[in-house]
Amino acid sequence: AQTVTQSQPEMSVQEAETVTLSCTYDTSENNYYLFWYKQPPSRQMILVIRQEAYKQQNATENRFSVNFQKAAKSFSLKISDSQLGDTAMYFCAFSGSEKLVFGKGTKLTVNP
Amino acid sequence: GAVVSQHPSRVICKSGTSVKIECRSLDFQATTMFWYRQFPKKSLMLMATSNEGSKATYEQGVEKDKFLINHASLTLSTLTVTSAHPEDSSFYICSARDTFYSNQPQHFGDGTRLSIL
Repeated sequence: AQTVTQSQPEMSVQEAETVTLSCTYDTSENNYYLFWYKQPPSRQMILVIRQEAYKQQNATENRFSVNFQKAAKSFSLKISDSQLGDTAMYFCAFSGSEKLVFGKGTKLTVNP
Repeated sequence: GAVVSQHPSRVICKSGTSVKIECRSLDFQATTMFWYRQFPKKSLMLMATSNEGSKATYEQGVEKDKFLINHASLTLSTLTVTSAHPEDSSFYICSARDTFYSNQPQHFGDGTRLSIL
């Protein structure tokens, strides 16, 4: 069974600074997708970024980028130039064939 | 972009009532939809996979007689919490995957906050 581990329950960062959220996963599959979702207080699930396992190049979306280390089964999220609106729960997720498996989440607070 | 509509967004009802939650894909067909439950400050827990035209697949520990799922069309899945009790109070979220673009990520509804008095 796949598992996703987020070892940082809470993190904080100053506005305009950079923060990295950690995620590791365990799977025996070779083809899969990895995601970072943001859940603000409104509780909407917002896709931040995704990575296909077969791609070596790290995905980037504006201020968000990942460090995907397939051999180490690591998938960290870097948020540059943090903004107050980035305050939210962040969930790392794994998808093999169909199901999404979520980590426990990291609560990120961006301080002014 | 792909949108999933979930209704109602908030339900407050008495113990013993059955509550139906709808999940609709608005601009794509979804053979498969997913129902999650989220407790406060916790992660999303997959309850069941809803399959159009066939029985849902429930995760271990989820009572299928308590949480009835119907996926009668390619754009609509419903979750009915039968004879709800206070312990069923939670946040329920659905998601759907576009049948024709299976490599695209799941699209989530905005969730339903269920409170049983």
